[in-house]
Amino acid sequence: GAVVSQHPSRVICKSGTSVKIECRSLDFQATTMFWYRQFPKQSLMLMATSNEGSKATYEQGVEKDKFLINHASLTLSTLTVTSAHPEDSSFYICSGLRDFQETQYFGPGTRLLVL
Amino acid sequence: GQQLNQSPQSMFIQEGEDVSMNCTSSSIFNTWLWYKQDPGEGPVLLIALYKAGELTSNGRLTAQFGITRKDSFLNISASIPSDVGIYFCAGLKAGTALIFGKGTTLSVSS
Repeated sequence: GAVVSQHPSRVICKSGTSVKIECRSLDFQATTMFWYRQFPKQSLMLMATSNEGSKATYEQGVEKDKFLINHASLTLSTLTVTSAHPEDSSFYICSGLRDFQETQYFGPGTRLLVL
Repeated sequence: GQQLNQSPQSMFIQEGEDVSMNCTSSSIFNTWLWYKQDPGEGPVLLIALYKAGELTSNGRLTAQFGITRKDSFLNISASIPSDVGIYFCAGLKAGTALIFGKGTTLSVSS
């Protein structure tokens, strides 16, 4: 149990376009989902906390208008990178919080390359 | 953002050797988690610790939640080539997001 999927696994886009990444908890309900970004050879850095049915909470330095997060159901959260630029190229990973265990389960990640 | 102090940063060992890595923090956590990440993949949960002093095993892996709630260690016994990867500790306080260590890169030579 506690499986999280992400789609797409890899995406290449042109600068200025928008990209949507989906995060789904497949076998549990996640009232809270988290979005992380990981640059090469670095640890995961939290971007935002997404609560079902409410606005996401963004970490300092993360532009909420650029990284749009929607958590419309207990099993789906989406991250949209708007007007992507090459510096947005990174590995984006989501996680779902399994409340009763206070444990986060991670998706497989989405590799974004902006040309 | 805030990060935990994880050491060592990297390890190069021979197959069959035991490995130990640890994380420390200046603040208290309610939960300590250990993850392994393979290249191009998301982190996979190895062990979760919920109580101070708790010692938990998962196969060849053993982890402990420090008594002070400010530290945790992970041991891997009799390492094998597939243990190669990056190991992250993560601390969780109630109502907050995970805080990650910088990772320990493990290389195992056969």
